[in-house]
Amino acid sequence: DAGVIQSPRHEVTEMGQEVTLRCKPISGHNSLFWYRQTMMRGLELLIYFNNNVPIDDSGMPEDRFSAKMPNASFSTLKIQPSEPRDSAVYFCASRGFSGGSQYFGPGTRLTVL
Amino acid sequence: ELKVEQNPLFLSMQEGKNYTIYCNYSTTSDRLYWYRQDPGKSLESLFVLLSNGAVKQEGRLMASLDTKARLSTLHITAAVHDLSATYFCAPGGSQGNLIFGKGTKLSVKP
Repeated sequence: DAGVIQSPRHEVTEMGQEVTLRCKPISGHNSLFWYRQTMMRGLELLIYFNNNVPIDDSGMPEDRFSAKMPNASFSTLKIQPSEPRDSAVYFCASRGFSGGSQYFGPGTRLTVL
Repeated sequence: ELKVEQNPLFLSMQEGKNYTIYCNYSTTSDRLYWYRQDPGKSLESLFVLLSNGAVKQEGRLMASLDTKARLSTLHITAAVHDLSATYFCAPGGSQGNLIFGKGTKLSVKP
């Protein structure tokens, strides 16, 4: 099993640019989570999907952030326009069933200059 | 809103010693998870505690859950350097998500 796959692993961009982060969950998992981790704020849940449907997006910081899950094997998190305060490590995690563990991807380290 | 408090946030231990990390949470939750994160790495699932009184052990780590007290503990026995990492507890939220604590950064010194 390949685990959760995220791309890119590192992204450096300039303020105002659009950034798209990608995630492929573990095959057969029906829940997908996007998190952001910073030193100041710790690990924050941004949004989560169940069976490709967004269930809770209350953690999405503002309208600049959007997430989609067009099918069970792919999700994107988009930031447009990006700002320096968006610099963080973004993790995607998937879960096979309610009550099970979430399995985290390796993360995308985003730096916005 | 579910709030999670871990303590201590920083823990420096000597090898061979025992210690306990505490995780308190503010509202009812029937399940709790512990994760480990090494510097610059992702989070790794350690334990899933799904009922009151649940106890799980793996090597030198033992986790327990008291849902009535809204408390989980992670006990470290005879610490070794390889256990140095940040440990997160995460009770389950009402919407099927997890609410993570700030993490306890553990440093085990020889």
